[in-house]
Amino acid sequence: GQQLNQSPQSMFIQEGEDVSMNCTSSSIFNTWLWYKQEPGEGPVLLIALYKAGELTSNGRLTAQFGITRKDSFLNISASIPSDVGIYFCAGLGAGGTSYGKLTFGQGTILTVHP
Amino acid sequence: DSGVTQTPKHLITATGQRVTLRCSPRSGDLSVYWYQQSLDQGLQFLIQYYNGEERAKGNILERFSAQQFPDLHSELNLSSLELGDSALYFCASTRGATGELFFGEGSRLTVL
Repeated sequence: GQQLNQSPQSMFIQEGEDVSMNCTSSSIFNTWLWYKQEPGEGPVLLIALYKAGELTSNGRLTAQFGITRKDSFLNISASIPSDVGIYFCAGLGAGGTSYGKLTFGQGTILTVHP
Repeated sequence: DSGVTQTPKHLITATGQRVTLRCSPRSGDLSVYWYQQSLDQGLQFLIQYYNGEERAKGNILERFSAQQFPDLHSELNLSSLELGDSALYFCASTRGATGELFFGEGSRLTVL
């Protein structure tokens, strides 16, 4: 089956720093999505990317759909304490038995020190 | 508020017991997904329903079953519970096939 390798597993940063995380796979995807989960809550969709090469921003967040369709990254600029949480990438399968299947990465735990 | 409602929010039970978790999707969403999240943080896909029919199955144990009813709410049944079943169980719903899921707040199951 499809697997997503998300890195880093965790990050400890100072407020104001920029953050970068990514997901890679040996499979190709039709859609890449980034979710954030805050403590005690369910994941919330941050950004969805539908086209290879697409670069999309949502406030201080920027995400890109890799040209090979096998990877994506998420950047957070000028981090603030409320950015704390677990960030998940997810990919929607593009072919074969994986077509239309949504696979999640293992998550990146972000801690921001004031 | 995602519009997805899950009950109960917390549940404590003993090994060997059976529980039912309930999910009401967002208005208009036909598709419901169930995920398990253990302490190691990952979201494990269990099962998906679309308009009352099973659409996809993940790593769902035989002791677990689910269904989606005509009013589109869904239930996840967990039986012969073991300590390792303690986890957060999330329901998510969506309208289309874009991967844009709306998650509920989860049901935290503790098996003692």
